[in-house]
Amino acid sequence: DQQVKQNSPSLSVQEGRISILNCDYTNSMFDYFLWYKKYPAEGPTFLISISSIKDKNEDGRFTVFLNKSAKHLSLHIVPSQPGDSAVYFCAASAKGSTSYGKLTFGQGTILTVHP
Amino acid sequence: KAGVTQTPRYLIKTRGQQVTLSCSPISGHRSVSWYQQTPGQGLQFLFEYFSETQRNKGNFPGRFSGRQFSNSRSEMNVSTLELGDSALYLCASSLTGTGAVQETQYFGPGTRLLVL
Repeated sequence: DQQVKQNSPSLSVQEGRISILNCDYTNSMFDYFLWYKKYPAEGPTFLISISSIKDKNEDGRFTVFLNKSAKHLSLHIVPSQPGDSAVYFCAASAKGSTSYGKLTFGQGTILTVHP
Repeated sequence: KAGVTQTPRYLIKTRGQQVTLSCSPISGHRSVSWYQQTPGQGLQFLFEYFSETQRNKGNFPGRFSGRQFSNSRSEMNVSTLELGDSALYLCASSLTGTGAVQETQYFGPGTRLLVL
């Protein structure tokens, strides 16, 4: 039962254009969503997050949008740079003792930004 | 502020052996979570510790265990290693891990375990 899904295994964009990475979830108890960037054999690096009470959060070139009714979130990177090439993971957390310290991750999307 | 550190970075073991991995959280963080990353299963939650107590556990066999010390440092142990335990093991820390305040988890670089 995959509660967080990233349906696009890979995405290729040109430098300077927009990258849009998508994520869907099924668990309505999730109330906090995060995006991480990861290089092979390294730990995930936190990028940006959004609370379920918001529908948008911006941080520099990164913007995350949340559509609660559709149980969908997306990460926009504008403009995309070659250094953004990595695997991007969507993750979600919920309140409650059964969720202490637990993030549920999507399968990841490999982003390649071509110069 | 120093980030999350994990030791060792790489390990090679043989089937049947046991292994202990170590994690030092960010200073002031009291919650430590462990994850396993494999190509087939992705990033999966192993367990979480807070104040030396395991508060949450993922769907892994009892061969996977852990502990936390009074300084919040944590170790995880895998006994009777199997080939399928080859993975990147990641540790993450956060302030309280309760989700009452929406907290970010910060990850260490991971320990790459290869079981032969």
